[in-house]
Amino acid sequence: AQRVTQPEKLLSVFKGAPVELKCNYSYSGSPELFWYVQYSRQRLQLLLRHISRESIKGFTADLNKGETSFHLKKPFAQEEDSAMYYCALSGQGNTPLVFGKGTRLSVIA
Amino acid sequence: NAGVTQTPKFQVLKTGQSMTLQCAQDMNHEYMSWYRQDPGMGLRLIHYSVGAGITDQGEVPNGYNVSRSTTEDFPLRLLSAAPSQTSVYFCASSRGGRNKNIQYFGAGTRLSVL
Repeated sequence: AQRVTQPEKLLSVFKGAPVELKCNYSYSGSPELFWYVQYSRQRLQLLLRHISRESIKGFTADLNKGETSFHLKKPFAQEEDSAMYYCALSGQGNTPLVFGKGTRLSVIA
Repeated sequence: NAGVTQTPKFQVLKTGQSMTLQCAQDMNHEYMSWYRQDPGMGLRLIHYSVGAGITDQGEVPNGYNVSRSTTEDFPLRLLSAAPSQTSVYFCASSRGGRNKNIQYFGAGTRLSVL
């Protein structure tokens, strides 16, 4: 079974501080991992996917198969990063995306 | 560029009423999904479709029906609304194949069942 765990419901950090949003997963095969973000009054949208290995808005995430984790990191948080972040996992074939429960990031000025 | 359009934006129902949440996309996407978003529960998949004429159940399908007669439309039907179905509903679409997980979301429908 596919499972995504985001242990923090709410994460508050000061502007300029580093941010790490945790995501752990459970899947027996080779997963594909994603981070989606929902800013206030905006639609849920893809932030990044592990196979792209890119930095979006200063965020990066590395897939650690040994620890079954896909934590989202940013070295210096900005106020505009305040949003709801969802980690998501997809297995192989046509299996649908499974989302975690989300972490609300609040960046304090 | 309409993308994924959901109607209505808000709806209040009485217990036992039925209604259909509409979802349409104009990107010729094969893959469409319905999710519900509840506080502390994240996004949970209700039903999904990998193409016209094909639907499958997600994590929480009870109380909901779907059909996919065209590529563009994927309506979600509540057969007999219950207070437990009070939620925000999101429709999403994506290309099939390797890009099925790059999902484009609608703006959501906020449903209250009294």
